[in-house]
Amino acid sequence: DAMVIQNPRYQVTQFGKPVTLSCSQTLNHNVMYWYQQKSSQAPKLLFHYYDKDFNNEADTPDNFQSRRPNTSFCFLDIRSPGLGDAAMYLCATSRPGQGVKTQYFGPGTRLLVL
Amino acid sequence: DAKTTQPPSMDCAEGRAANLPCNHSTISGNEYVYWYRQIHSQGPQYIIHGLKNNETNEMASLIITEDRKSSTLILPHATLRDTAVYYCIVRVPWNTDKLIFGTGTRLQVFP
Repeated sequence: DAMVIQNPRYQVTQFGKPVTLSCSQTLNHNVMYWYQQKSSQAPKLLFHYYDKDFNNEADTPDNFQSRRPNTSFCFLDIRSPGLGDAAMYLCATSRPGQGVKTQYFGPGTRLLVL
Repeated sequence: DAKTTQPPSMDCAEGRAANLPCNHSTISGNEYVYWYRQIHSQGPQYIIHGLKNNETNEMASLIITEDRKSSTLILPHATLRDTAVYYCIVRVPWNTDKLIFGTGTRLQVFP
């Protein structure tokens, strides 16, 4: 089945130690998104890629970076994680040009910062 | 994208219809109403969307008022697996930009 895959499902890192979360998709969608969801809050967009064009949200901290080496893969890099970065990180995809689009989400990676 | 207002929580007995309301009084003419849900510890899942006509699919029905200022998501026969947070979102469909999630409604289906 076509899907959005996130690995790992759980990630533990230390305060200040760089960490990378990965997302892959078999849907061949042009657009990939990264959302952050803190406990008991709604998901909040960090940035998205339209093909190779990167679109950062104005309030996304510089500590968060992203890479998209090809259509299928997208990475979220947190350069120096703080305790406040502990959250669920959700990857999503969509395909423009279909008129009415929906976003397809992966299962998320829960990040714990010690 | 227009803002939405939803009740923070609702209960529903298993097998009964769950009716989840959403107010979107500032919706503009080209904005659609989308519903997503998020089961605990999973990513959000698309349910249904509509512009002004009522819509039905295998998961749910969407009823949009004639003035489009509010809508209701109906799960006709709720099961325990429908326990989740339900988000109502209004947006322009050709916008590849973000989904702006509100606070959502936490639906608890009980036996």
